[in-house]
Amino acid sequence: KQEVTQIPAALSVPEGENLVLNCSFTDSAIYNLQWFRQDPGKGLTSLLLIQSSQREQTSGRLNASLDKSSGRSTLYIAASQPGDSATYLCAVRPIGTASKLTFGTGTRLQVTL
Amino acid sequence: KAGVTQTPRYLIKTRGQQVTLSCSPISGHRSVSWYQQTPGQGLQFLFEYFSETQRNKGNFPGRFSGRQFSNSRSEMNVSTLELGDSALYLCASRGIENTEAFFGQGTRLTVV
Repeated sequence: KQEVTQIPAALSVPEGENLVLNCSFTDSAIYNLQWFRQDPGKGLTSLLLIQSSQREQTSGRLNASLDKSSGRSTLYIAASQPGDSATYLCAVRPIGTASKLTFGTGTRLQVTL
Repeated sequence: KAGVTQTPRYLIKTRGQQVTLSCSPISGHRSVSWYQQTPGQGLQFLFEYFSETQRNKGNFPGRFSGRQFSNSRSEMNVSTLELGDSALYLCASRGIENTEAFFGQGTRLTVV
């Protein structure tokens, strides 16, 4: 059974810091891994999608890496801003499960002024 | 291009009642998945529909059901509501295989 873990559960940093969020999964048989952000009470916003054959993806200040063999992904946020405050979730799509995503428990990020 | 639309945004129901939630996917997307999000259990997969057929189902009781119409819009129904069904229900749509999943804003269901 695929399990996804995110560390840390919560993080508070001052504005301008670079930070790394971690995601680990137990089964490397995945189609892809997706990072999302969720603002309180809202839906999920897709940030980055990494296919199983890829090593990293970049979008603006965000960079996500994937090491499928070790079951790890990291989300790097450069020059953090207060607007980055949200919960960040990673999800994997296991092979053989059609569209089912298995989610981590999330990292709650607060960026302070 | 319009995103994923879920209606209603908020619902308050009484125990024992039933409820129907609606999800309109991104135009052209044929896959719609439903998830339940609670503080204790996080995000859990309910089911997925593709071209009007249920393709995958999570570990939820039979009170949770769904369907998809020919225009790819999907509904989920929960019968005999329990207090524990209070949650944010999210739907996601996806286009061709191995592409991004896009989520709606969710329906917040409160059972009293």
